[in-house]
Amino acid sequence: EVQLVESGGGLVQPGGSLRLSCAASGFSFNTYWMNWLRQAPGKGLEWVANIRHDGYEKYYVDSVKGRFTISRDNAKNSLYLQMNNLRAEDTAIYYCAGQVVLATTKWYFDLWGRGTLVTVSS
Amino acid sequence: DIQMTQSPSSLSASVGDRVTITCRTSQTIINYLNWYQQKPGEGPKLLIYAASSLQSGVPSRFSGSGSGTDFTLTISTLQPEDFATYYCQQTYNVPYFGQGTRLEVK
Repeated sequence: EVQLVESGGGLVQPGGSLRLSCAASGFSFNTYWMNWLRQAPGKGLEWVANIRHDGYEKYYVDSVKGRFTISRDNAKNSLYLQMNNLRAEDTAIYYCAGQVVLATTKWYFDLWGRGTLVTVSS
Repeated sequence: DIQMTQSPSSLSASVGDRVTITCRTSQTIINYLNWYQQKPGEGPKLLIYAASSLQSGVPSRFSGSGSGTDFTLTISTLQPEDFATYYCQQTYNVPYFGQGTRLEVK
C-alpha cells in the first residue's frame, strides 16, 4: 500500500524552529520528485517546496526562501522540511506529496499524506 | 505571478445533478492544469491532469476541458461521495492553486 505519513508538527513560538518528516512506503521513493505543501486553517492549498529524486535540485515559494530547507534521505525513504524563523502566517497543515513528471509542464501531485499541523503562536 | 480564479467559491447541489466548476487564469497556461478533490481530514486526490486527462481509477463521471485561460471541471451525475472541495492547479510555472470550490448538499 502506498503511504506517506507526516510527523513533527506542533506548537512553536514565533521565531522558533521545527523539523517535519515524511515517511514513505509502498512505492519507489527514490524515483519521485517530492514536495511540501501547506493549507492554513479553512484556506486553500499552497505549494511550499520541492526536491528532485536525487536531491540535487530544490525549489521554494518566495515566502519561505532563506527560512525553510527541504531535504531527503532515499536510504530511509524519508522527506524532511527544516523550518526556521517561523512566523504566525506559517500556521498550517503541512502535507508531503509525490510528484509524477510526464514532461516539464505536464506533471501532477499523485501521492499525498494526511498532513501534520504546525501552529506558530506565542 | 499567474492568478487563479475559481468559480463559484461554493455550490449547493443534489445527488444526480450535473455540476460545473470553472477555473480562470490571468495568462495563458495552454493546457497545463490539474484538478483535485479534497475531503475533510484528508490530503487532496488527483482527478484530472493536463486539463482533460482522467487519472487512473477516477470515475468517468468526472471530466475536464478547456485551454488557454479558461477551464472547467464537470461532474456529469453527482454521487453522494462527490461532496467535497475542488481545486484547480496550474503547472505552467510555480504551482499555484485556485481558492477552491466547496460542493455542498442542497
